[in-house]
Amino acid sequence: DTVMTQSPATLSVSPGERATLSCRASQSVSSHLAWYQHKPGQAPRLLIYGTSTRATGVPGRFSGSGSGTEFTLTISSLQSEDFAVYYCQQYNDWPPITFGQGTRLEIK
Amino acid sequence: QVQLVESGGGVVQPGRSLRLSCVASGFTFSNYDIHWVRQAPGKGLEWVAIISNVGNNKYYGDSVKGRFTISRDNSKNTVFLQMNSLRPEDTAMYYCAKDLPTGELAFDIWGQGTMVTVSS
Repeated sequence: DTVMTQSPATLSVSPGERATLSCRASQSVSSHLAWYQHKPGQAPRLLIYGTSTRATGVPGRFSGSGSGTEFTLTISSLQSEDFAVYYCQQYNDWPPITFGQGTRLEIK
Repeated sequence: QVQLVESGGGVVQPGRSLRLSCVASGFTFSNYDIHWVRQAPGKGLEWVAIISNVGNNKYYGDSVKGRFTISRDNSKNTVFLQMNSLRPEDTAMYYCAKDLPTGELAFDIWGQGTMVTVSS
């Protein structure tokens, strides 16, 4: 199975600043990497798929990059509604489809 | 409006069974694979199962293989998750989700979830 490892576990950032979240795969997942935002009491929301393609309706401040085993989600200027838990997910080597353990983005 | 709505969760004793349903609307259901994903309390997301668009291919996560069965009825726009031999570690919010129109296995539409609690 492909193990996805996210870092850091918690990231504290002030509104208006940039946030950079990392995701590492235990083996290459090519570009088959997605990012989700998850808030309490809500369904997860797809932000990025194919490493760097924004999903419909996702603001331009969200961007994804990387390839192979190292990936990054960048939020260029944090808004209040961006504080949430973020998960990466690989869909290259499946089953199983696997998620990272999540990064909690909190207000500094 | 594109949506998925789960139902069927509840409190069940260890070893018993439960069947979850996921009803779709607003899109051509028979064109899409459907997944179940769960989140245990305080934990991250865990992929559970996938069923292909016409139901001929099914795959499961290791933790549920042999105990859970995914199925679908395209005439009713519904996917089911039959959960047998339930364990306390199956306690979680269960979400159904569809994959992208491109066929990529990223999930663009999710339901709001249904909670399953396995406890004596």
